[in-house]
Amino acid sequence: EAQVTQNPRYLITVTGKKLTVTCSQNMNHEYMSWYRQDPGLGLRQIYYSMNVEVTDKGDVPEGYKVSRKEKRNFPLILESPSPNQTSLYFCASSALTGYSPLHFGNGTRLTVT
Amino acid sequence: KNEVEQSPQNLTAQEGEFITINCSYSVGISALHWLQQHPGGGIVSLFMLSSGKKKHGRLIATINIQEKHSSLHITASHPRDSAVYICAVGTGNQFYFGTGTSLTVIP
Repeated sequence: EAQVTQNPRYLITVTGKKLTVTCSQNMNHEYMSWYRQDPGLGLRQIYYSMNVEVTDKGDVPEGYKVSRKEKRNFPLILESPSPNQTSLYFCASSALTGYSPLHFGNGTRLTVT
Repeated sequence: KNEVEQSPQNLTAQEGEFITINCSYSVGISALHWLQQHPGGGIVSLFMLSSGKKKHGRLIATINIQEKHSSLHITASHPRDSAVYICAVGTGNQFYFGTGTSLTVIP
């Protein structure tokens, strides 16, 4: 089954404790991206990747890192999480940027205390 | 600044009603996407379009490139259509999203 898999679904952590949210897709998609969703603000793009070893900042990259060492995986890294990073995070992939539908993971609800 | 504006923010309809959700955008786009998010959070892609009109079952999406405007129509609405509908535009490598329209269809 074609899918984007995010883990974990829920994560509660404390300020400053490094964490990684994993994202994997099995559709051989070139494009992968991360978003955060906050009430009243909607979805905002954090980082995106056009291909292996090619990543770039979206609208709200501060406090986040990503890597794309393999085509299928695109982890989101929070080196020193802060409470303002409490949010619902989504990973998505598509075959061809802007010209193909986006496939979303199920989301990760992160709480930083 | 908001690259994508949606209206209305909230919408309540009786079962069977015809529903329209509007989306206006201010940037040049490669394509416009309509997404659906159910309670519980999962997001699915309903339509991707760069011109004209698309239809899938009871859902119809239209786009007017010159006016930078798109509409999502739901005919014969049903309680299972209750969800948040999100308009998104792709501008090459980046995506911008509206804040969503929360639709509730009452039996």
